[in-house]
Amino acid sequence: AQRVTQPEKLLSVFKGAPVELKCNYSYSGSPELFWYVQYSRQRLQLLLRHISRESIKGFTADLNKGETSFHLKKPFAQEEDSAMYYCALSEGDSWGKLQFGAGTQVVVTP
Amino acid sequence: NAGVMQNPRHLVRRRGQEARLRCSPMKGHSHVYWYRQLPEEGLKFMVYLQKENIIDESGMPKERFSAEFPKEGPSILRIQQVVRGDSAAYFCASSPQGDNEQFFGPGTRLTVL
Repeated sequence: AQRVTQPEKLLSVFKGAPVELKCNYSYSGSPELFWYVQYSRQRLQLLLRHISRESIKGFTADLNKGETSFHLKKPFAQEEDSAMYYCALSEGDSWGKLQFGAGTQVVVTP
Repeated sequence: NAGVMQNPRHLVRRRGQEARLRCSPMKGHSHVYWYRQLPEEGLKFMVYLQKENIIDESGMPKERFSAEFPKEGPSILRIQQVVRGDSAAYFCASSPQGDNEQFFGPGTRLTVL
């Protein structure tokens, strides 16, 4: 069963505009949620995880257990934010096994 | 620290041959994970290993696929008698003991002719 859903395959925004990438999950326990990013010709790298509650490169994400969501937001998109973004879930009883969404391609145009 | 290393980066095999994919974790990392990515899809978990132990292989196909992480040397993902449907990008990740943050390698792109 698909645990992580990213409804948008492609998100095109103008530089300076806000950007929000949606991520919904299905899991009734206590999940750990991550956002990974893959820039062009680079490897997949962690952007942020919900337990650290940090803002990285201007991005934030809040875990909403009521809505089972972990949307990624940035108030002012930059051209260097153009990349592929993956939401991932780790279930409490399957530590180490990350379940990824299909990914959202973000294109920021000047 | 060179990061997670995978080789080869590209591998071409004919149907029925064996494919061996190697992964060297980051220095100090004792946990290794393998994922597969089919075109237009996200990464799918295959197997989680610690040194000399398979912790979770719930994502491994029942036949032809095996993985190991020996006491010395890299982790190996082996696919026997490859078929066209095995064509995909295979990613390895590693993490230190007690931390769920996984660091990914560049991947191996397997093409089966």
